Amino acid sequence: LAKTTQPISMDSYEGQEVNITCSHNNIATNDYITWYQQFPSQGPRFIIQGYKTKVTNEVASLFIPADRKSSTLSLPRVSLSDTAVYYCLVVVGSGYSTLTFGKGTMLLVSP
Amino acid sequence: EAQVTQNPRYLITVTGKKLTVTCSQNMNHEYMSWYRQDPGLGLRQIYYSMNVEVTDKGDVPEGYKVSRKEKRNFPLILESPSPNQTSLYFCAIRRANAGGELFFGEGSRLTVL
Repeated sequence: LAKTTQPISMDSYEGQEVNITCSHNNIATNDYITWYQQFPSQGPRFIIQGYKTKVTNEVASLFIPADRKSSTLSLPRVSLSDTAVYYCLVVVGSGYSTLTFGKGTMLLVSP
Repeated sequence: EAQVTQNPRYLITVTGKKLTVTCSQNMNHEYMSWYRQDPGLGLRQIYYSMNVEVTDKGDVPEGYKVSRKEKRNFPLILESPSPNQTSLYFCAIRRANAGGELFFGEGSRLTVL
């Protein structure tokens, strides 16, 4: 399984765009990249998933360069409620292996 | 709407007293999984199940058992709990062909004295 590396923490202010980058140098051809958000004492919540290029939904965008060795989660105009831990996962294409979460990035949004 | 129900949500118990944390889903998904979360260690997978009667170890299976006798339920069994199993436990489900898109329950906070 590809190991992921992401910053331990990030700080931002309300209204700013936040980009969290995750590196996954050993990603395999069939692997997907998935991002989760977690608030204290709650279960992680799926945000977005992609394979290559760019994926966008109502919450975030996911940018994946051609070599797929990294990915960037982009949160537009963050608010205080976006303060949370964000996890990057690399998932085997079939999805039937273990889904391993790293330690995540703690995003703190200030007024 | 997907629902994953865990019980109990909170439990304080003593070393060696067998306990079961239940997980029930309303979506008929084949894949179910258990995670534990500890400060500084993040989320770690304990066991997962791809379908009824099919279970497999995750990253930290020691001290735990699971069963999958029906698609709806995936109980986590601690035969002889120890203090190092004090943790926050999450059950998760995933629909077919959803890749890494898991849906998590609300969690069960377990304290073993």
